[in-house]
Amino acid sequence: SQTIHQWPATLVQPVGSPLSLECTVEGTSNPNLYWYRQAAGRGLQLLFYSVGIGQISSEVPQNLSASRPQDRQFILSSKKLLLSDSGFYLCAWAYGGHNEQFFGPGTRLTVL
Amino acid sequence: EDQVTQSPEALRLQEGESSSLNCSYTVSGLRGLFWYRQDPGKGPEFLFTLYSAGEEKEKERLKATLTKKESFLHITAPKPEDSATYLCAVQRWGGSEKLVFGKGTKLTVNP
Repeated sequence: SQTIHQWPATLVQPVGSPLSLECTVEGTSNPNLYWYRQAAGRGLQLLFYSVGIGQISSEVPQNLSASRPQDRQFILSSKKLLLSDSGFYLCAWAYGGHNEQFFGPGTRLTVL
Repeated sequence: EDQVTQSPEALRLQEGESSSLNCSYTVSGLRGLFWYRQDPGKGPEFLFTLYSAGEEKEKERLKATLTKKESFLHITAPKPEDSATYLCAVQRWGGSEKLVFGKGTKLTVNP
């Protein structure tokens, strides 16, 4: 069966500090991978998605970036965090060509 | 622009009291409509995908239906463990595979 991991589970960072969130998927090959953010009072918003190693598409302009160094690894980064980057970050995966996306446990990020 | 509106924002039910959650959507070319369940502090859990008007899917006490403008999640004889936020999302053809989510309906089932 497939499993998706995210870490860390929670993170408190000062404004202006860097960020690295990691997501890994087990039990499948060549998945599509996604980063979403869930802010208070708002729906989940797609930030980035990837259909393969090194292939990243951005949905929303921001100070975040994403990378996919390995088939089942997806990383969300920032060089300098803003207060507005606080939120619940969710990684998801899907079989290529299929619609359903399956979400990880999430990372709660608080920027102070 | 694709839009999803869920109502009500919050719903309180007594155990065994059946009800429905609504998801109204606007999308140019629906590829799929999705229902998820989200418990506090956790990632969404996939429930159903609906593809075309008239389609219905069931899982335990939940049944999802779809028309050309909205979807309903019917909850029959709910139990306290059904308490969660239920999210609706749409995906359109020719897009980036992104899911456009509504803000959710927070369901509380009291024993």
